[in-house]
Amino acid sequence: NAGVTQTPKFRVLKTGQSMTLLCAQDMNHEYMYWYRQDPGMGLRLIHYSVGEGTTAKGEVPDGYNVSRLKKQNFLLGLESAAPSQTSVYFCASKRAVATYEQYFGPGTRLTVT
Amino acid sequence: AQTVTQSQPEMSVQEAETVTLSCTYDTSESDYYLFWYKQPPSRQMILVIRQEAYKQQNATENRFSVNFQKAAKSFSLKISDSQLGDAAMYFCAYRSPPATGNQFYFGTGTSLTVIP
Repeated sequence: NAGVTQTPKFRVLKTGQSMTLLCAQDMNHEYMYWYRQDPGMGLRLIHYSVGEGTTAKGEVPDGYNVSRLKKQNFLLGLESAAPSQTSVYFCASKRAVATYEQYFGPGTRLTVT
Repeated sequence: AQTVTQSQPEMSVQEAETVTLSCTYDTSESDYYLFWYKQPPSRQMILVIRQEAYKQQNATENRFSVNFQKAAKSFSLKISDSQLGDAAMYFCAYRSPPATGNQFYFGTGTSLTVIP
């Protein structure tokens, strides 16, 4: 049982390049989330999914797209990276049952130059 | 969107002493949860404690307890008998009801230093 894993752990992109971050969970959780963490800003929700095939926008969705084709995977895409997207990205998942908290992945540090 | 405010960017405590971290939130919803997360230098987010809004009793987990004041929308974390391993960033978080997707909103964090 690996919990929540994120691939890659580190990445450096040039402005305008694209990439996809992969989040995988093996806990059969229905809900999955993508956050970004910037200094002094806490965690901010980018997009989330309440089930396979569904996605919704969070607080800061601009410049990102997501897909949830399989229940265990949640992909975050950057079509044309910008320096403002330099951040640490966290994925999290949780069961749909109301009492359960979310479980976080280890994070991906992305630098856009 | 809900807002979560942590007004103490940094706090310090002597080892074995008690410290309280503050958190306030703004919401018009009634069915929500509140959490405190710890983030050590490893970056891994670790759940410390959670509180259901419908419960009047304050949650406790070993040395960690909360003071939940629903009317005042306040949710502070008390750490008793502080240990060196408690040094970390602490984030307060609000979780919205299922009808709005159980979205989580985080405060900006409090950096806790434990002095030996």
